[in-house]
Amino acid sequence: NAGVTQTPKFQVLKTGQSMTLQCAQDMNHEYMSWYRQDPGMGLRLIHYSVGAGITDQGEVPNGYNVSRSTTEDFPLRLLSAAPSQTSVYFCASSRGTGAYEQYFGPGTRLTVT
Amino acid sequence: AQKVTQAQTEISVVEKEDVTLDCVYETRDTTYYLFWYKQPPSGELVFLIRRNSFDEQNEISGRYSWNFQKSTSSFNFTITASQVVDSAVYFCALSNSGYALNFGKGTSLLVTP
Repeated sequence: NAGVTQTPKFQVLKTGQSMTLQCAQDMNHEYMSWYRQDPGMGLRLIHYSVGAGITDQGEVPNGYNVSRSTTEDFPLRLLSAAPSQTSVYFCASSRGTGAYEQYFGPGTRLTVT
Repeated sequence: AQKVTQAQTEISVVEKEDVTLDCVYETRDTTYYLFWYKQPPSGELVFLIRRNSFDEQNEISGRYSWNFQKSTSSFNFTITASQVVDSAVYFCALSNSGYALNFGKGTSLLVTP
């Protein structure tokens, strides 16, 4: 099992550019989510999905888009990158919500100049 | 609203010392789950433990132990005989039966030889 994989590992964007962060899991988990980690802020939920075709917003969704066409994949799209989106992005998956531990990917470090 | 407070931003200890990382939480839910995650310098997030609100038993796993006290809304983490490999950022997190993990801001632990 590869677990949760994320690509790319590092990315530099210019303000206004768009891009997609990829996330995939091979554990057949229904629940997937995206977090961002900023210094001194912990991790904050951006978007989540409870199954294919179902997504919803988390705490900090502005500027990001998601879709879930398969159980395995949950890409995160930055529509028009801004310096405030400079962060480390983590994708996570779990068997369900609440009680289940989330398995995190290795993260994508994004810098927007 | 749910909130997790990790008041200790940084802790520095010498190897073999015991160290306790504090976690205080707030929630109105009667059913909730508490987690600890470790983030070593390599950046990945590693699940350490989950505890549900109905189980106040303390847990010990090797050099790690956790003390859950509902009366003080605390879920503290102790490392006994710390080692250099314990150097990491440790996050406490809270979840109800819903979709989000609410993370504290983390405690950075540095263990020096």
